Amino acid sequence: GAGVSQSPRYKVTKRGQDVALRCDPISGHVSLYWYRQALGQGPEFLTYFNYEAQQDKSGLPNDRFSAERPEGSISTLTIQRTEQRDSAMYRCASSPIYRGYTQYFGPGTRLTVL
Amino acid sequence: AQTVTQSQPEMSVQEAETVTLSCTYDTSESDYYLFWYKQPPSRQMILVIRQEAYKQQNATENRFSVNFQKAAKSFSLKISDSQLGDAAMYFCAYREEETSGSRLTFGEGTQLTVNP
Repeated sequence: GAGVSQSPRYKVTKRGQDVALRCDPISGHVSLYWYRQALGQGPEFLTYFNYEAQQDKSGLPNDRFSAERPEGSISTLTIQRTEQRDSAMYRCASSPIYRGYTQYFGPGTRLTVL
Repeated sequence: AQTVTQSQPEMSVQEAETVTLSCTYDTSESDYYLFWYKQPPSRQMILVIRQEAYKQQNATENRFSVNFQKAAKSFSLKISDSQLGDAAMYFCAYREEETSGSRLTFGEGTQLTVNP
């Protein structure tokens, strides 16, 4: 399809395990964003990339969270040593880089940490 | 830091009627963008409408329109001829181009119920 895709759609893991969440943006979109959404709340910004460069990672909650986009396309958000408080929907969005662009969201990955 | 406030956690409307969802925001910037996103039970995030702050004309998309009051920092969404498929969580979002990069700041959401 032509939209943003994310995998896996659902991830259940045990506390202390590492997880990697993948985002495949819309073809031709050079900006990619990660957000986290707790149940009943609006998404909160984590980090974003223009091409392969990470422009802003100020929203990452601590150093267990990291993200990369090595070839300027697919991105991976990694959470090390997961904790129960990491349970949430993790959303990826992409957009063209011109001014005033709209961000288009993927379906999200529902992460549950037991 | 910019904040977005949606003061109505829940709203309901009768099918075919009109409903208005409220949103206010706080910013010291003059150049920014505002959005309404819809999140149905599937939990997808779907863009409903967007507004550029430099445009005085209110944006319209079919049955959806906004009332953008820049001085009051208010950005409400009006849904006309409500349909059952409009039932969803609606999020207001703000984006500034300069100091905050390209992040979206979302409100807490308004859960809209459409009654048949």
